[in-house]
Amino acid sequence: DAGVIQSPRHEVTEMGQEVTLRCKPISGHDYLFWYRQTMMRGLELLIYFNNNVPIDDSGMPEDRFSAKMPNASFSTLKIQPSEPRDSAVYFCASRKDRGPSEQFFGPGTRLTVL
Amino acid sequence: QQQVKQSPQSLIVQKGGISIINCAYENTAFDYFPWYQQFPGKGPALLIAIRPDVSEKKEGRFTISFNKSAKQFSLHIMDSQPGDSATYFCAASIKAAGNKLTFGGGTRVLVKP
Repeated sequence: DAGVIQSPRHEVTEMGQEVTLRCKPISGHDYLFWYRQTMMRGLELLIYFNNNVPIDDSGMPEDRFSAKMPNASFSTLKIQPSEPRDSAVYFCASRKDRGPSEQFFGPGTRLTVL
Repeated sequence: QQQVKQSPQSLIVQKGGISIINCAYENTAFDYFPWYQQFPGKGPALLIAIRPDVSEKKEGRFTISFNKSAKQFSLHIMDSQPGDSATYFCAASIKAAGNKLTFGGGTRVLVKP
């Protein structure tokens, strides 16, 4: 298995632009998580899905952030409009519903908003 | 509210030495305590995990010690190697809440040869 796939790996954009981050979870995994990592705030859970349904979005910082999971193999995290304080590394992770509780993380997308 | 506190923020250890990282949690509903290892430019990867019904778990050179009454757990890296140089995160989750992870702040470990 290729593991969790994220794209792009790096994104540089200007303030006010729309940014879309993409994630392909491991096949057969039922849960998908979006995390944000910054020096100041560490690793924070933004939102997670179970069987493509958003379960908890309490970590989404504000209405500028939205996430979708149209099918079991694809999820997006969108920021519109982007701001410099959104600069961070965004990770996607997935895990199975049954069995070990291990979450498998993708390589992350490093977002820089100028 | 930070529910998982981790210390130290960084530590330097000589090759062959012992690295010890401590975490404390507040929510007694947590029922799964993993440690993740992260190398620069990579995503975190599970290193070892423990559930609160055991007090210790060992996998190779890595050991978790768990103290339920004190709401604390720690990671011990024995015989530290330069390849262990990474950032380590403790975390906690609740199975009934989808096992969403609450992470500690991280500890950057540098093992000097």
